Amino acid sequence: QVQLQESGPGLVKPSETLSLTCAVSGYSISSGYYWGWIRQPPGKGLEWIGSIYHSGSTYYNPSLKSRVTISVDTSKNQFSLKLSSVTAADTAVYYCARVGSSSWYEAWGQGTLVTVSS
Amino acid sequence: AIRMTQSPSSLSASTGDRVTITCRASQGISSYLAWYQQKPGKAPKLLIYAASTLQSGVPSRFSGSGSGTDFTLTISCLQSEDFATYYCQQYYSYLPITFGQGTRLEIK
Repeated sequence: QVQLQESGPGLVKPSETLSLTCAVSGYSISSGYYWGWIRQPPGKGLEWIGSIYHSGSTYYNPSLKSRVTISVDTSKNQFSLKLSSVTAADTAVYYCARVGSSSWYEAWGQGTLVTVSS
Repeated sequence: AIRMTQSPSSLSASTGDRVTITCRASQGISSYLAWYQQKPGKAPKLLIYAASTLQSGVPSRFSGSGSGTDFTLTISCLQSEDFATYYCQQYYSYLPITFGQGTRLEIK
């Protein structure tokens, strides 16, 4: 059974870059599927950030595209998120997830809270 | 972007009740719709995809229906563990994928 675990700093300063990693176990990223990031500001709904295939093909939310980079490291069986020029509006719980065969999210990490504050 | 609107935003019900949550898309999305359950402090859990296909391991009291712009999630006999927030998600247009604002199901 696939398991995902987010890791990274819980506090990021405004204007800096948020960096998170999602370690995948129980499944080899190289075997297929898309892998994605979703975030949820405290007390609010879900926002799709983007997704990546093991080959490196990516799709980003147009509202975040200028600031987002998602990458994959098949040798470590993990994928990563970078979000640049963060502001307080980027404070959220960030989830990584495996994308089902047609873009539903079928397996999720537990989430990690990232706070943007000086 | 396709806008997903859920109704109601919150709902009070009792165990044993039958409840229905509605999700409306701002344009037709065929059957490219998923439903999730989220409990406080936890990640969302996939319940249904392709509008009506139950994810493996999800109890049969959950069901989904609809196509085009109007969809429903029905819980046939509420259990205590079903009190949570529910989200719909469209994946007809993946740039961007969008979620409804959520429906909070509370104990009456």
